Amino acid sequence: GAGVSQSPSNKVTEKGKDVELRCDPISGHTALYWYRQSLGQGLEFLIYFQGNSAPDKSGLPSDRFSAERTGGSVSTLTIQRTQQEDSAVYLCASSPSGTANQPQHFGDGTRLSIL
Amino acid sequence: GENVEQHPSTLSVQEGDSAVIKCTYSDSASNYFPWYKQELGKGPQLIIDIRSNVGEKKDQRIAVTLNKTAKHFSLHITETQPEDSAVYFCAVPSIDTGRRALTFGSGTRLQVQP
Repeated sequence: GAGVSQSPSNKVTEKGKDVELRCDPISGHTALYWYRQSLGQGLEFLIYFQGNSAPDKSGLPSDRFSAERTGGSVSTLTIQRTQQEDSAVYLCASSPSGTANQPQHFGDGTRLSIL
Repeated sequence: GENVEQHPSTLSVQEGDSAVIKCTYSDSASNYFPWYKQELGKGPQLIIDIRSNVGEKKDQRIAVTLNKTAKHFSLHITETQPEDSAVYFCAVPSIDTGRRALTFGSGTRLQVQP
């Protein structure tokens, strides 16, 4: 079956522009996560969605970052007024349920470059 | 929050040798321990995980061992092959997110020399 799909795979934009990144989770997975991987850094949690519950936004680095998940499936991560420090690979993962300790399966990410 | 330390940061072995990567964690209540492999330009791929009710789990050439008392777990790769070359990450569920999101180690770059 299809895995987690992310688009675009690469995005280059100018500082100050807004960007939208898309994630399509594995069919039937109710939990969806966004992480960020900066050059030479590990993976950093951003936001988590589970079903119709309010998302856990505790990892978002600033109010320029937001995300939504429509219909309990596809999610978009939006970064407003991009800064050079936003350059990173943005990874999406999904898991079968939102219970603790569930295996997470990742997409190949969107590589974002801010000029 | 959870603290995860991973060692070594780089590891070079000859093809056919074994490789061991170790992670220590701080949350004594953690009970799920996955390992991911990340190849260049790809997302992390779950390769093996273990829950705290067992001390070891094997899947062909890879195994994970867990020592809950010492709060560390290790990835073991035997009979390494060039295609095992990648960056490996350990992870533990993050207390700050109710153990739903993961906190990752800093990664180990494994190079298998043919």
